[in-house]
Amino acid sequence: DTGVSQDPRHKITKRGQNVTFRCDPISEHNRLYWYRQTLGQGPEFLTYFQNEAQLEKSRLLSDRFSAERPKGSFSTLEIQRTEQGDSAMYLCASSTRTGEREQFFGPGTRLTVL
Amino acid sequence: GIQVEQSPPDLILQEGANSTLRCNFSDSVNNLQWFHQNPWGQLINLFYIPSGTKQNGRLSATTVATERYSLLYISSSQTTDSGVYFCAVSDSGGYQKVTFGIGTKLQVIP
Repeated sequence: DTGVSQDPRHKITKRGQNVTFRCDPISEHNRLYWYRQTLGQGPEFLTYFQNEAQLEKSRLLSDRFSAERPKGSFSTLEIQRTEQGDSAMYLCASSTRTGEREQFFGPGTRLTVL
Repeated sequence: GIQVEQSPPDLILQEGANSTLRCNFSDSVNNLQWFHQNPWGQLINLFYIPSGTKQNGRLSATTVATERYSLLYISSSQTTDSGVYFCAVSDSGGYQKVTFGIGTKLQVIP
């Protein structure tokens, strides 16, 4: 079991560029979550997938953000026309559907928008 | 939505001291987790504890769901315990969206 992985670990981009992050959950987990964490704050929920279905989206997820999980395995989070306010740590987590629904987090992708 | 309050916000301990971190939440929950975030940002699972008491080495946790609080105990603290401790809860809704507190920043000094 390799845990949740995320790629890239760090991304520096210029304002206005598009960026895409990838998350690979723990293999038997069918629930996948994206969170965003800014400095000095706890992570904030962005969106949730059960298998390939996106079942909940936060109001934080503006129309510049899109997330997919096409085959119910890995997921991608894309930010279009990045803004400086998008600079944050983007965290992915996964959990099982039944039993204890403990969430396990990946190492995160730290985005810096210049 | 559910509100999560953690206290204290900051804590400085001498190595070897004990401490108690508190998490209050505003509504009934069916999931409560404690995490330690290391300096590199990785969230490390400490306890999954929607109710009851659990222990793991020098750490233990207690959740009293009916009174809407949870406590994390750290005994004989070590410098490697430094970091931010988060309490995170899911309400009784269907999707297990987790709401985090703002954390307790712990610094253990030699």
